[in-house]
Amino acid sequence: SAVISQKPSRDICQRGTSLTIQCQVDSQVTMMFWYRQQPGQSLTLIATANQGSEATYESGFVIDKFPISRPNLTFSTLTVSNMSPEDSSIYLCSASGTSSNNEQFFGPGTRLTVL
Amino acid sequence: AQSVTQLGSHVSVSEGALVLLRCNYSSSVPPYLFWYVQYPNQGLQLLLKYTSAATLVKGINGFEAEFKKSETSFHLTKPSAHMSDAAEYFCAVSDRGTSYDKVIFGPGTSLSVIP
Repeated sequence: SAVISQKPSRDICQRGTSLTIQCQVDSQVTMMFWYRQQPGQSLTLIATANQGSEATYESGFVIDKFPISRPNLTFSTLTVSNMSPEDSSIYLCSASGTSSNNEQFFGPGTRLTVL
Repeated sequence: AQSVTQLGSHVSVSEGALVLLRCNYSSSVPPYLFWYVQYPNQGLQLLLKYTSAATLVKGINGFEAEFKKSETSFHLTKPSAHMSDAAEYFCAVSDRGTSYDKVIFGPGTSLSVIP
């Protein structure tokens, strides 16, 4: 298994600003994922991040709004750009690659409120 | 395309009663299947996973799930509910087509346990 930490755990931001969320894994992993969980909702995949290549974004999510970095096999960042109140959500980082059955391990999430 | 449905967005049981949370999937081939639990203000924790070794899968905290191909179901059960089981439960599916494929989450079922 993998242990995943995220920073910050929560933040309150002003409209129009940007926030970068960090995700750290305690072991090297192949794939990292970023999810959004809106209040009372399920998880929606934003993008998949491979080390050394550009992230792959899901329909409805674009790089300009959610730029992602993956500089090495244990770390990734997600930036929420030009925020609006609609971006208020929990953002979760996950990782897979420690097993062959697509099992993912999740971080504790970052609770973002945009005023 | 893969999809997951969970019947019942909210389930309420008495302490000591049987817990049954329903999950049905849509996939062209038997997929990997997962149940995750999310406690308030926390990330997701894997309860159990189906990878084809056995149709009845036992997980943590006394939970188990049975894969039924004919019904395309993967319902989660626990013989006796405990107050600490109150949480959000997500069923998830992942294709076997390639390694480290993305995981699709169901809408979630909120479990309440009545003392």
